[in-house]
Amino acid sequence: DAGVTQSPTHLIKTRGQHVTLRCSPISGHKSVSWYQQVLGQGPQFIFQYYEKEERGRGNFPDRFSARQFPNYSSELNVNALLLGDSALYLCASSLTGDGYTFGSGTRLTVV
Amino acid sequence: GQQVMQIPQYQHVQEGEDFTTYCNSSTTLSNIQWYKQRPGGHPVFLIQLVKSGEVKKQKRLTFQFGEAKKNSSLHITATQTTDVGTYFCAGSPNDYKLSFGAGTTVTVRA
Repeated sequence: DAGVTQSPTHLIKTRGQHVTLRCSPISGHKSVSWYQQVLGQGPQFIFQYYEKEERGRGNFPDRFSARQFPNYSSELNVNALLLGDSALYLCASSLTGDGYTFGSGTRLTVV
Repeated sequence: GQQVMQIPQYQHVQEGEDFTTYCNSSTTLSNIQWYKQRPGGHPVFLIQLVKSGEVKKQKRLTFQFGEAKKNSSLHITATQTTDVGTYFCAGSPNDYKLSFGAGTTVTVRA
């Protein structure tokens, strides 16, 4: 079985642009969460979706949005990129919430 | 909002020695999870603790959840070079919105 897959693996964007990151959860996992990890820090919760509904949102501005599709894959969108948005964006899926499987992440660099 | 603190931030260990990393939450948690992240990698789930006072072991790793469900610890015995990485605790007052600590980065001297 494939694990959690994320695309792209690396991305370079210019300030003010927008970006879409994609995530496919483990087959059968209906919960997808997004995290932002800045170098040297722990992952910070952005969103969780379950059965296509938003279950929770972290302390991120409205420039960040997400959605989950009928096949449980998910997209994270970030508008009006700032230099401070440079980070590793992690997607995690879970069957029951008893432990999350993370993807390898998308390394976003904003220049 | 909820905050999860971890100490120490860095742990330099001689191979074969034991060490402990600690995790404290500002609020009561429904569960605590531990993850390990190798350099350049992504977090990998190690274990979840749910019950007050719960203790679980995985080979040389011992995890404990405090009686008040606001703190946890990870103890590693006989440290090996394979233990290198950053260990994160993550807690939540509900079933989602995990709050991660800043992690304890472990280096091992052979």
